Formats: sequence, C-alpha cells, structure tokens
Amino acid sequence: DAGVIQSPRHEVTEMGQEVTLRCKPISGHDYLFWYRQTMMRGLELLIYFNNNVPIDDSGMPEDRFSAKMPNASFSTLKIQPSEPRDSAVYFCASSFMEDSPLHFGNGTRLTVT
Amino acid sequence: GENVEQHPSTLSVQEGDSAVIKCTYSDSASNYFPWYKQELGKGPQLIIDIRSNVGEKKDQRIAVTLNKTAKHFSLHITETQPEDSAVYFCAASLDTGGFKTIFGAGTRLFVKA
Repeated sequence: DAGVIQSPRHEVTEMGQEVTLRCKPISGHDYLFWYRQTMMRGLELLIYFNNNVPIDDSGMPEDRFSAKMPNASFSTLKIQPSEPRDSAVYFCASSFMEDSPLHFGNGTRLTVT
Repeated sequence: GENVEQHPSTLSVQEGDSAVIKCTYSDSASNYFPWYKQELGKGPQLIIDIRSNVGEKKDQRIAVTLNKTAKHFSLHITETQPEDSAVYFCAASLDTGGFKTIFGAGTRLFVKA
C-alpha cells in the first residue's frame, strides 16, 4: 500500500497564476478529503468526495478554488487566480468509510509570491 | 457547528515522564474521536481513536479517555521517548447530513532526553 500520494511536494508561484494540486487516494477508499493547514487557522476541511461525487464544499474559501475527482484514483484542487493568502500546506486524505480514520498524504506546500 | 478546543498548545516533558493532552468539543452529536500525530514535513497519522460508546481505550503506551457528559476527551502518553516529539491533534467527527471531522489546534510535544 503506497498510501495517499500528492504532487507536487512544493509549489512556488506568482500571484495571479493558476495552481493545480494533485492527489491519488488509497485504492478502495471511497472518501477523499482536501484540507488546508496554516498556523493561524490550523487544519481546515475544504471539500470532500464520496465515490467521486462532491458531498460538501462549504469549506472552499472562494470561487477561485475548485476541486474535481474524475475517477476513483485521482483528484485535483485548482486555484485560479492564486493570491499570497493562499500560501499554506494542502493535504489530501482518504478513508474507507465516512467515520473511519483519515489517511493523509504528505501535503503540498504552496507559496504564492 | 462543531468546535474543538485543545490544550496545552505546547508541552515539554522529560523522557520517561507522562504527557497528557486535553480536548473539549461543543456538539453532543459527535461520536468519533481520533487522535493524530504529525511529524515535520509529513501529514497527520492516526495513533488512536475512540467512539462514543466507549469510555477508555489503550494501545501500549497510549491511552484515550472520553467523558461524553462533560464533552471532554484526553490523550495520555506514558514513558515518553524522544521519538514521541511531534504535533498532536485531537478531532471530533459527526454526521451533519455529511460527515465532518473537525480538528483541534494542535499540541506541540517536546520530549527531552
């Protein structure tokens, strides 16, 4: 089991550019979550999917953020246009069921200058 | 919505001593309480969890207690070792028509050799 795989590990971009973060969940896990971690706000749930369908996107901060899950093994989180305040570590996590443990990837550290 | 408070924010102990981290939650409907350990540069990893129908659970040097009446739960680490140094997060999960896991702000544990 390779675990949840995220790419890239680090992303540095200029304000206004489009950023795409990628995630491959653990095979067989039906739930996929995107979290953002900052010193000020801690771990925040942005959106989660069940069987590739978005269930709750109430944590997505603005329309600049969008997430897709075209199939069971791949998800993307896109920010367009990016802003300096989007700088954070973005984690993808997957789980077998809704109320079962989350398995996190190692995150993407995003820096927007 | 659910709110999880975690204390202390920083904890320093001598190797071999015990460490206790406490959390409170606001929504009495929460029924699953996981604890995660995050090491530098990595995503959080589950170390122990407890469900609302259980008052205590133990796994080697780690134990968790839950008081549903008071809406308190705690993590106890005995015989601490330097490799226990990390950031620890408590969390509470509930079904609000969509399942959400809300995290505490984290406790940075230092174990001095």
